[in-house]
Amino acid sequence: LAKTTQPISMDSYEGQEVNITCSHNNIATNDYITWYQQFPSQGPRFIIQGYKTKVTNEVASLFIPADRKSSTLSLPRVSLSDTAVYYCLVGFSGTYKYIFGTGTRLKVLA
Amino acid sequence: GAVVSQHPSRVICKSGTSVKIECRSLDFQATTMFWYRQFPKQSLMLMATSNEGSKATYEQGVEKDKFLINHASLTLSTLTVTSAHPEDSSFYICSARDPLQRQRETQYFGPGTRLLVL
Repeated sequence: LAKTTQPISMDSYEGQEVNITCSHNNIATNDYITWYQQFPSQGPRFIIQGYKTKVTNEVASLFIPADRKSSTLSLPRVSLSDTAVYYCLVGFSGTYKYIFGTGTRLKVLA
Repeated sequence: GAVVSQHPSRVICKSGTSVKIECRSLDFQATTMFWYRQFPKQSLMLMATSNEGSKATYEQGVEKDKFLINHASLTLSTLTVTSAHPEDSSFYICSARDPLQRQRETQYFGPGTRLLVL
């Protein structure tokens, strides 16, 4: 099973770009990488998903190197409301083996 | 689209009683739902995979007789914590995939249920 690790916490200022990395050394061939945002006492909210290379949507970018052993979530210009815990999730519906990362607490400062 | 609800949002019960948590996909049909548990300041841990019309698949270390899962329809899965004890107090979160969506590997999560066992 993939073991996924993330930095425990990060601080940033409003308007800055934030990059959060997830390490998943044992990722399986069919596994997808998904990032979620979680506020206290709420369920995770989908941010972005990818398999390889780079994916971009209206709120974030996801960079996945060729060996897929890590991934980086990029939030272009954070605001105070982006203060939350961010998780990567590695897994595939064909096996139903899903592993959440350890989570990164992002604190955005004014 | 892809909204998942849970009920109740929080529950307090006495030790030894059973608690049922419902998970519903509101605008799509989910043949597969997932149940996670999250302790304070920890990550989510997959407990079991719930398949409509068949038995759930439990992760290693999760007692299937204690955490009963029923997925009786394409929009509803229930988790029953039987004979709950204080150590079962946690945040229980369900999720579902929408296989018809383009990003069919994406799980959509419910708002969670906070269980406190006294």
